[in-house]
Amino acid sequence: NAGVTQTPKFRVLKTGQSMTLLCAQDMNHEYMYWYRQDPGMGLRLIHYSVGEGTTAKGEVPDGYNVSRLKKQNFLLGLESAAPSQTSVYFCASRLIRGYTEAFFGQGTRLTVV
Amino acid sequence: DQQVKQNSPSLSVQEGRISILNCDYTNSMFDYFLWYKKYPAEGPTFLISISSIKDKNEDGRFTVFLNKSAKHLSLHIVPSQPGDSAVYFCAASAGLTNAGNMLTFGGGTRLMVKP
Repeated sequence: NAGVTQTPKFRVLKTGQSMTLLCAQDMNHEYMYWYRQDPGMGLRLIHYSVGEGTTAKGEVPDGYNVSRLKKQNFLLGLESAAPSQTSVYFCASRLIRGYTEAFFGQGTRLTVV
Repeated sequence: DQQVKQNSPSLSVQEGRISILNCDYTNSMFDYFLWYKKYPAEGPTFLISISSIKDKNEDGRFTVFLNKSAKHLSLHIVPSQPGDSAVYFCAASAGLTNAGNMLTFGGGTRLMVKP
């Protein structure tokens, strides 16, 4: 049982390049999230999805886009990477609305130079 | 404005003693609180949770206390072990009232347990 899997684990981009981070979950969870972790700031929500075909903005959505074409996958795109997007990105999923925990992937460390 | 705050960036305790990690929140709509543990180069893993209808929840060495009037929760680890050394995140959600059911996180506290 893999849980939540993120691809890739590490990436270095040049300013202006684009890339897509993939998140896959095998738990049949409805809710999926993308967070970024920066020192001293905890995890901040970028975008989220409450089901296949739906997406919504979180706390820090600027510079990112997302898509959820299949229930098990949630993609995070950076169209034109900036040094301020250097961070560790975590994907998470949650079964249902209410009082349940979220499960996290292992993270993607992205450096934009 | 941070809705969930962990005011202690780090905490050092001796093995076998109690570790107390604190968390404050401002949003009165939060009704479900969680603690996550994170090791370097890994994703956060769920540790323990508490709903707002309770004031205490215990799971082995871990106990979470909730003081709703003070909008404060704490995680107690007794006894502390070197393997508990990690970053601990407090998180909160508005449960059924929040359309996205997202978790709002504090900044984290790095716990170091000395042998």
